[in-house]
Amino acid sequence: DTEVTQTPKHLVMGMTNKKSLKCEQHMGHRAMYWYKQKAKKPPELMFVYSYEKLSINESVPSRFSPECPNSSLLNLHLHALQPEDSALYLCASSQLDGGETYEQYFGPGTRLTVT
Amino acid sequence: RKEVEQDPGPFNVPEGATVAFNCTYSNSASQSFFWYRQDCRKEPKLLMSVYSSGNEDGRFTAQLNRASQYISLLIRDSKLSDSATYLCVVPNQGGKLIFGQGTELSVKP
Repeated sequence: DTEVTQTPKHLVMGMTNKKSLKCEQHMGHRAMYWYKQKAKKPPELMFVYSYEKLSINESVPSRFSPECPNSSLLNLHLHALQPEDSALYLCASSQLDGGETYEQYFGPGTRLTVT
Repeated sequence: RKEVEQDPGPFNVPEGATVAFNCTYSNSASQSFFWYRQDCRKEPKLLMSVYSSGNEDGRFTAQLNRASQYISLLIRDSKLSDSATYLCVVPNQGGKLIFGQGTELSVKP
């Protein structure tokens, strides 16, 4: 039912690999988000894009590099990750309208394992 | 005070029971509040948005008490399928959504 899609569903990568996570939304939302979630914990915000521009970076290490090619797409490029980066990576999107805060809609996530 | 605080549970209830979760928040300027449910190994799904004093959707009722800075979620006639973690979400002063730690609900036959 979700209108936010993410690929791949699962990803296993070594510490020297480079990979990318992809997210797409078709709701016309102009804000998109990356979250990281560990087991039994709430999602932690990583990045926010507003009108395709990076507006928030929550002091995320540079081995995570976000990209927003257009208003529907969001990528997260991964390089030289550590085993502790293994987690569920969630993409979300929301409306954007002045100072109002709207509900966010999440994609199904990519379950990442770093070996 | 934590920005958003929830009782982690778990709440173990029989089918048909009524169960209520509370959530306290620190940002007195918040105008919108959200409840999400999250099933094991799945994404959070929006359950309810609250913009005024409360909201009701079938068996689910959310109530907001601005003076005491808490919101509650009431589930009536619990079903087995209601078993999940319920996340209370409140924007902070910068507009970011702050998630509570989640309350785990287990509905037993």
